[in-house]
Order: sequence, then structure tokens, then C-alpha cells
Amino acid sequence: AQTIHQWPVAEIKAVGSPLSLGCTIKGKSSPNLYWYWQATGGTLQQLFYSITVGQVESVVQLNLSASRPKDDQFILSTEKLLLSHSGFYLCAWSLRGDSDYTFGSGTRLLVI
Amino acid sequence: GQQVQQSPASLVLQEGENAELQCNFSSTATRLQWFYQRPGGSLVSLLSNPSGTKHTGRLTSTTVTKERRGSLHISSSQITDSGTYLCAMGAASSSFSKLVFGQGTSLSVVP
Repeated sequence: AQTIHQWPVAEIKAVGSPLSLGCTIKGKSSPNLYWYWQATGGTLQQLFYSITVGQVESVVQLNLSASRPKDDQFILSTEKLLLSHSGFYLCAWSLRGDSDYTFGSGTRLLVI
Repeated sequence: GQQVQQSPASLVLQEGENAELQCNFSSTATRLQWFYQRPGGSLVSLLSNPSGTKHTGRLTSTTVTKERRGSLHISSSQITDSGTYLCAMGAASSSFSKLVFGQGTSLSVVP
């Protein structure tokens, strides 16, 4: 069975500090991977997608970056956090471009 | 860009009543996927169908792709059905898919 694990579960970080969020998918080879973000009370927005190792495409510019160092790993990061980065971050995978998405449990980030 | 509009924004039902949640999308969709968002934020996939009608338990999803609309019917609502329901439209190109979410319907089921 496929599993998707996100870490950490929650973070409180200072403005200007770095951030790294991780996502690991097990039991599925070469999945499409995605990062989503939801501001408090807001709509989920797709930030990045990746269809293969080493290739990541940006969908929305939020002064964040993403990388896919391994087939089963997707990393979201920034060197300097902004207050506007607060929210809920979700990682997802799908088998193909047109198949259902499965989401991880998410990371809640508060920037102060 | 692609947009997804959900209605109503919120709904209050008495236990046992049926709920009808609507989803309208602005462009051709390859599929509609319905999610339940837990209070902590995580998503549970409920149903997905590109067109037609699909059932699981007390849930029925109907998608009319040509009319760019879909609906989720919840029969015999229970208190535990309370929460936020999200509709997401899939728009695929040859290399990737973008799942675009609506703003959600907040459902409250009361005794």
C-alpha cells in the first residue's frame, strides 16, 4: 500500500529564518508530486509540481522553492521566511497527470 | 485562470436530512474530485468521477462536464458529517495535472 508522510507536523518560526518541509512517498514508483498551501481561511493553492527526479515546476510564486532529490522525496524550502508564509502545507501524489490525488497529513506553519 | 465555485458557503442541517453541495468550474475539466477536510486540515478523498454519477455509502457524486458543474449528495446526514467539503477540478495537460480547489462548503449537522 502507498503511504505519504510529511514532516514536521507543525512549526513555529521567526521571520527571516530558513524553512525546510519534507514529504516522502512509499510504495509508488515515479509518482507525480505536488505542494499545496492554504492560508488560514483560504483556498488551497498548488505551489509546485514534479513529474520526475530533479525536475520541479513552479505554479505560484511565493518566495519558496522546491526540490525532488529522490524519486520518493519532495522538499519545500526557503532561506528567509515571511509572515505571509504562515498557513497549512500539503504534499500530494498522483499516478499520472489525470489520476486522483492523495494528500499527506500536512504541516502547519506559523511565522512570527 | 481556472476557477472553481462552491455553493452554498455554509449549510446547517438537522440530523437525518439530506445535503446537496454544488460545484461549478470555469473551464473543461478532466475530472472532479471531492474531499472532506478535517478540522486539523488534512484531506480525505471522498469520490472522483470525470462524468456521470458515482456512489459510495451515503455519498453520491454527479458530474455534468459539458455544463461545467458537479454536485455531492449526502443522504441521511449524521453529526459526524460536519466539516468542510472541498470540490477540486482536474485540468490536465500532457505532462502534469493541476487540481484546482473551490473555497469549500462548511456543513454543520445538528441534533
